[in-house]
Amino acid sequence: AAGVIQSPRHLIKEKRETATLKCYPIPRHDTVYWYQQGPGQDPQFLISFYEKMQSDKGSIPDRFSAQQFSDYHSELNMSSLELGDSALYFCASSSSGFDEQYFGPGTRLTVT
Amino acid sequence: AQSVTQLGSHVSVSEGALVLLRCNYSSSVPPYLFWYVQYPNQGLQLLLKYTSAATLVKGINGFEAEFKKSETSFHLTKPSAHMSDAAEYFCAVRGGSGGGADGLTFGKGTHLIIQP
Repeated sequence: AAGVIQSPRHLIKEKRETATLKCYPIPRHDTVYWYQQGPGQDPQFLISFYEKMQSDKGSIPDRFSAQQFSDYHSELNMSSLELGDSALYFCASSSSGFDEQYFGPGTRLTVT
Repeated sequence: AQSVTQLGSHVSVSEGALVLLRCNYSSSVPPYLFWYVQYPNQGLQLLLKYTSAATLVKGINGFEAEFKKSETSFHLTKPSAHMSDAAEYFCAVRGGSGGGADGLTFGKGTHLIIQP
């Protein structure tokens, strides 16, 4: 079965640079969620989109923004990167009316 | 606000023994609860979910969990541990202090160690 696809899988950036992470949900899933998982930490919810509209917001820094496109893929844009932004970034998708979220393999972002 | 607490950051069991991972929830409304497993450097895989249907929920890989309202618990069990079960396990609730209305709020995780 098709799963959530995230790209790139690994990304190295320097402080103050920008990064863009991409997420391709499972086919026919209309909701996308972004999570950040620091080293040894539990995942923290950042933001979600349903039918291309922001549906919920968690602890997303103002330096980050995201959107969902007409083909339902989503991008997380991160600016003015800080060392503390180094983490695993997960995308998850779900189908409206269903509660379970399916996670992608994650993008490991390292800020140097 | 909804939250979950996992008791025990590390649990060690022998291969073939019972696995019990504890999760307690706090919620003012009927919660939607989930268990996820994470292998090293991988994403989270859904094991099972509780959404106010049957209180005993069966998941993948032989795991199950029982929702007990009186104890505000949703513990994960497996009758016989296998070496491949070694991983990090997260209990999660939909919504909650960190999850808005739809995002998941996770517990701190329990690292399951299987002794040969």
